[in-house]
Amino acid sequence: DAKTTQPNSMESNEEEPVHLPCNHSTISGTDYIHWYRQLPSQGPEYVIHGLTSNVNNRMASLAIAEDRKSSTLILHRATLRDAAVYYCILPGANNLFFGTGTRLTVIP
Amino acid sequence: DVKVTQSSRYLVKRTGEKVFLECVQDMDHENMFWYRQDPGLGLRLIYFSYDVKMKEKGDIPEGYSVSREKKERFSLILESASTNQTSMYLCASSLGQGERDIQYFGAGTRLSVL
Repeated sequence: DAKTTQPNSMESNEEEPVHLPCNHSTISGTDYIHWYRQLPSQGPEYVIHGLTSNVNNRMASLAIAEDRKSSTLILHRATLRDAAVYYCILPGANNLFFGTGTRLTVIP
Repeated sequence: DVKVTQSSRYLVKRTGEKVFLECVQDMDHENMFWYRQDPGLGLRLIYFSYDVKMKEKGDIPEGYSVSREKKERFSLILESASTNQTSMYLCASSLGQGERDIQYFGAGTRLSVL
């Protein structure tokens, strides 16, 4: 099963862009890349997902490398409410490995 | 909006007790999941279900069982609770779209076994 690797923690200043990386070197051709985040004292919530092309939604952008072995979640202007743990996962068949994610700290 | 409701936010039980954690979703989702979350270990899948009365083991099913008698309800059962089952338990549901499936999570139940 394909797994992902993320840095344990990152910091960002408020209102600056944040780039959260994820490595998935064993990704298969049909694996979608999903991102979730978990705010303090809450369950995870869906952020964005993609297959090959870059994706944008109201929460974030997802940039996928051409070889698909890595991706980057982009928060265009970090706010204090974006402080959370961010998970990058490849939810293939029976593969729902969330790992420990990246803890994002936003500095006022 | 999808709503996944877990019956309790906090629960304290004694070692050896039988514990039921209940989860209900209101969006007619096919799939339901139970995870536990521990510091440094992330979310780990315990069991999941793709249909009523159907269940599949996840990564750490030992010491747990599940029940899905109705589509909207998925119960996690600890037959004889032990202290190493003290954890945050998260329930999720999804529509069932394969690779594109989005999971919707409940707020979690923090279980303490004394």
